[in-house]
Amino acid sequence: NAGVTQTPKFQVLKTGQSMTLQCAQDMNHEYMSWYRQDPGMGLRLIHYSVGAGITDQGEVPNGYNVSRSTTEDFPLRLLSAAPSQTSVYFCASSYSRGRGNTIYFGEGSWLTVV
Amino acid sequence: GQQLNQSPQSMFIQEGEDVSMNCTSSSIFNTWLWYKQEPGEGPVLLIALYKAGELTSNGRLTAQFGITRKDSFLNISASIPSDVGIYFCARSNTGNQFYFGTGTSLTVIP
Repeated sequence: NAGVTQTPKFQVLKTGQSMTLQCAQDMNHEYMSWYRQDPGMGLRLIHYSVGAGITDQGEVPNGYNVSRSTTEDFPLRLLSAAPSQTSVYFCASSYSRGRGNTIYFGEGSWLTVV
Repeated sequence: GQQLNQSPQSMFIQEGEDVSMNCTSSSIFNTWLWYKQEPGEGPVLLIALYKAGELTSNGRLTAQFGITRKDSFLNISASIPSDVGIYFCARSNTGNQFYFGTGTSLTVIP
């Protein structure tokens, strides 16, 4: 019953460091995405993927990189961390089946950049 | 971003009271979703609505897809302390694009 699994749960980075947030889903969903959640800003889309080998930018892509080599995995890379990237990050997977679209979220990764 | 208008922003209610919150949009959509997010956790899907006028329940929770396809409401009956959290709506059309409300923070006073 895993659904969407993301790691790590918590991370502290120094400015300029790089890291990768891992995300995996076991629901065979074609769509995956990364959001950041900041107070008063709601969920904002960083990058998304409509299938293996296909990625695209969302609303706030700068400073982040993604790849989708398999249907299951969608890692998010911070290239050179900045304090403005302190946030809560959510990976999500979604599908579209006849009736409509549904999106499921991971449990979140709390990132602090100092 | 394309945020939804969600209200109220916060609610403080007594245990046992009913709760109502809603989301509106200027455009029509074919999917409305309602989520609950507790501190330190990710959003959890509560109810999914796919047809105008659809009324769906999940325990004490009831949500409806407005007949104009521009709005949706979520009701919680007989609130209990574990209902505390942030509730937010999401809408979607084709292409798996989702837009989210800014959330309603619910506090239940025992």
